[in-house]
Amino acid sequence: GAGVSQSPSNKVTEKGKDVELRCDPISGHTALYWYRQSLGQGLEFLIYFQGNSAPDKSGLPSDRFSAERTGGSVSTLTIQRTQQEDSAVYLCASSLEWGSHQPQHFGDGTRLSIL
Amino acid sequence: GIQVEQSPPDLILQEGANSTLRCNFSDSVNNLQWFHQNPWGQLINLFYIPSGTKQNGRLSATTVATERYSLLYISSSQTTDSGVYFCAVRKGSSNTGKLIFGQGTTLQVKP
Repeated sequence: GAGVSQSPSNKVTEKGKDVELRCDPISGHTALYWYRQSLGQGLEFLIYFQGNSAPDKSGLPSDRFSAERTGGSVSTLTIQRTQQEDSAVYLCASSLEWGSHQPQHFGDGTRLSIL
Repeated sequence: GIQVEQSPPDLILQEGANSTLRCNFSDSVNNLQWFHQNPWGQLINLFYIPSGTKQNGRLSATTVATERYSLLYISSSQTTDSGVYFCAVRKGSSNTGKLIFGQGTTLQVKP
């Protein structure tokens, strides 16, 4: 596609439920990133995938969070047993390749609300 | 870790005015991007500018990597410029592509 595509755009769920967020990166981009933006805050790094290398999971806030990237393209971020503090906008970005000279392009995000 | 500080935190302008937003960072970087987050939450790439100067219409940016700061200039501001402006950097010695974001500058342009 022309840009990074995320779905759903909005998700409301009850505390304790599991949620899955999807990201479809720009075609040909090998690097994919997940960030989180809590209300009124800047963006916080969660996880990063580059090709077939092991992902950088250093930003995941707890073991309830996990992500996978199938076939080097689409990625799914899963949050298990959601808590109210998980409410945020989850943003996905991709870049042409990992490296210092590649800008990251962001999707429109998934707004997650935990009741 | 690397610290990214943006100033001012809030800015109110009258339409047509010019402004300068600043981003200071605490370590060497090899990636610096400016973003505009519009009122609908969309994060729009403005500049990829690890060093030097770039211009795009009414916007321009300058990064002085050796002095660890970047400036975003907005000239002849319009109401559509309102939103939050983020600076984000990647540490120069980092082996990961993650960006570290500043807290943003919230800009309101009044008609």
